[in-house]
Amino acid sequence: GQNIDQPTEMTATEGAIVQINCTYQTSGFNGLFWYQQHAGEAPTFLSYNVLDGLEEKGRFSSFLSRSKGYSYLLLKELQMKDSASYLCAANRDNYGQNFVFGPGTRLSVLP
Amino acid sequence: DVKVTQSSRYLVKRTGEKVFLECVQDMDHENMFWYRQDPGLGLRLIYFSYDVKMKEKGDIPEGYSVSREKKERFSLILESASTNQTSMYLCASSTRTGAASGYTFGSGTRLTVV
Repeated sequence: GQNIDQPTEMTATEGAIVQINCTYQTSGFNGLFWYQQHAGEAPTFLSYNVLDGLEEKGRFSSFLSRSKGYSYLLLKELQMKDSASYLCAANRDNYGQNFVFGPGTRLSVLP
Repeated sequence: DVKVTQSSRYLVKRTGEKVFLECVQDMDHENMFWYRQDPGLGLRLIYFSYDVKMKEKGDIPEGYSVSREKKERFSLILESASTNQTSMYLCASSTRTGAASGYTFGSGTRLTVV
């Protein structure tokens, strides 16, 4: 089956660091994606991991362990504008693109 | 600026109506997808297409059909709308060769069936 789990809600303080975890189990695997979605808007691409390890992009980093079926998104120096939902998605098509999404984690950044 | 455009932002339809949701992309992408997004369930794949006139069922195709007559346009059809199809519908596209680039999403259509 296809299953992706992530926490439903998280709260953090402006300036802090937050880690959003994601576990996945899919029939095939060709990469793990993180998207950001502000309320009422389309999801936008944040990061992509296909090999084990950490990918860093400014304040955002993403980690993947293929053997454990685990990923996390790390957000540093949180800003109020980071309040959004964060979607974990696994590409289950080994040759193309076919994503299965987690339920999303709604992050609230407090002053 | 590359775009995926969904024709309607909000729609209200009656039970039993036939509903068309249109999606157009201007990036010459081969792949197009329709998802619905519901609270607590995330995005669920309804149908997808890897080429013109090609379609594949996703995880929840029941009650839906699709049409892709041109590369840039992918239409989702609700043959007889029901209240359990009230949802946010998101269209997405991607390039066949760009595994790392992911999807580009449209802004969504919030459909209410009454």
